[in-house]
Amino acid sequence: EAQVTQNPRYLITVTGKKLTVTCSQNMNHEYMSWYRQDPGLGLRQIYYSMNVEVTDKGDVPEGYKVSRKEKRNFPLILESPSPNQTSLYFCASSFWGPGANVLTFGAGSRLTVL
Amino acid sequence: QQQVKQSPQSLIVQKGGISIINCAYENTAFDYFPWYQQFPGKGPALLIAIRPDVSEKKEGRFTISFNKSAKQFSLHIMDSQPGDSATYFCAASGGGADGLTFGKGTHLIIQP
Repeated sequence: EAQVTQNPRYLITVTGKKLTVTCSQNMNHEYMSWYRQDPGLGLRQIYYSMNVEVTDKGDVPEGYKVSRKEKRNFPLILESPSPNQTSLYFCASSFWGPGANVLTFGAGSRLTVL
Repeated sequence: QQQVKQSPQSLIVQKGGISIINCAYENTAFDYFPWYQQFPGKGPALLIAIRPDVSEKKEGRFTISFNKSAKQFSLHIMDSQPGDSATYFCAASGGGADGLTFGKGTHLIIQP
């Protein structure tokens, strides 16, 4: 089944404790992206990647890091989480190129930072 | 990043009625306008999309109306059903590397 898999789905952590949210896709997509969803603010892009070793900042990159060492994986790293990073996070992927705009989203990772 | 403004933020419609969600954009370089549907506990999923060379696209009970001169597009859900209750996001893209720009979402409730 074609899918984007995120882990963990739920996480409660404390301020300053480094964490990584993993994202993996099995569709051979070039493009991958991370979003956060907050009430009243919709989906805001954190980082995106057009291919292996190619990443760039989205609208709200502060406090986050990403890497793209393999085509299928795009982990989101919070080096020193803070309470304002409490949110619902989504990873998404798609093919890249003219007309290839259909994003496939993961099921989401709900993060609480105390 | 260019904005996409979506309204209303929430909407309650009776079963069988028409649900209408509106979006407006600023960037005239946008050339792809999808709507995503999100059920509780799930990620958003593509519902229907349109390109600016047509003014309307219909798939079953779902229709996108597009007004290029006004830079507006809307989603119409005909014969709304309780199973349509979800959050709907409009989005726009100009083909750039930053991908889709999303509206803030509409929480739709269809009352039985």
